[in-house]
Amino acid sequence: SQQGEEDPQALSIQEGENATMNCSYKTSINNLQWYRQNSGRGLVHLILIRSNEREKHSGRLRVTLDTSKKSSSLLITASRAADTASYFCATADLYNQGGKLIFGQGTELSVKP
Amino acid sequence: GAGVSQSPSNKVTEKGKDVELRCDPISGHTALYWYRQSLGQGLEFLIYFQGNSAPDKSGLPSDRFSAERTGGSVSTLTIQRTQQEDSAVYLCASSLAGGLPGELFFGEGSRLTVL
Repeated sequence: SQQGEEDPQALSIQEGENATMNCSYKTSINNLQWYRQNSGRGLVHLILIRSNEREKHSGRLRVTLDTSKKSSSLLITASRAADTASYFCATADLYNQGGKLIFGQGTELSVKP
Repeated sequence: GAGVSQSPSNKVTEKGKDVELRCDPISGHTALYWYRQSLGQGLEFLIYFQGNSAPDKSGLPSDRFSAERTGGSVSTLTIQRTQQEDSAVYLCASSLAGGLPGELFFGEGSRLTVL
């Protein structure tokens, strides 16, 4: 069963603007991860945030986690055309689903030059 | 190789045939995952292997699907009597972490088309 749900499903912005994608999940988690997928390719890990962390940065990426609302957001600042991709959140269930990582449906980001 | 390797990259088969998809994880990675991605959709969990533990098969959609991992390394996903709804990209990933998943490294996927 799917755990994370991203919104929006699709986002189109101009180069230089910021892009914000949200992820909601249902159960208690150990960690939440964000991945990127270029069209027709495999997924690439972007960032992992643990359940006891509230915010994490990596370059132009900022991830927040609100465990009380069971939600996370991914912010990409100063977007570039090369950021065009699908972005997925994935969660690791706290109560031992054996290390299984469950992915959401993804947000398709289009950055126009 | 340096990354997760999957083969074949593309497979076209006729309905009713069996197919085998192969995944060669990163050396030393104890965890191995199979996911399925239909066109424009998210990833559907299929099966997870961790070391010598019994695999988590809870995501396999039917008994036509099976997977094995030999020697804790290479994994094969087998789909018997393929149906058109099996058409999708099958993604394999591996991870160093055991128990609680850390970063997953994905292969490029095997695109299966069932005619």
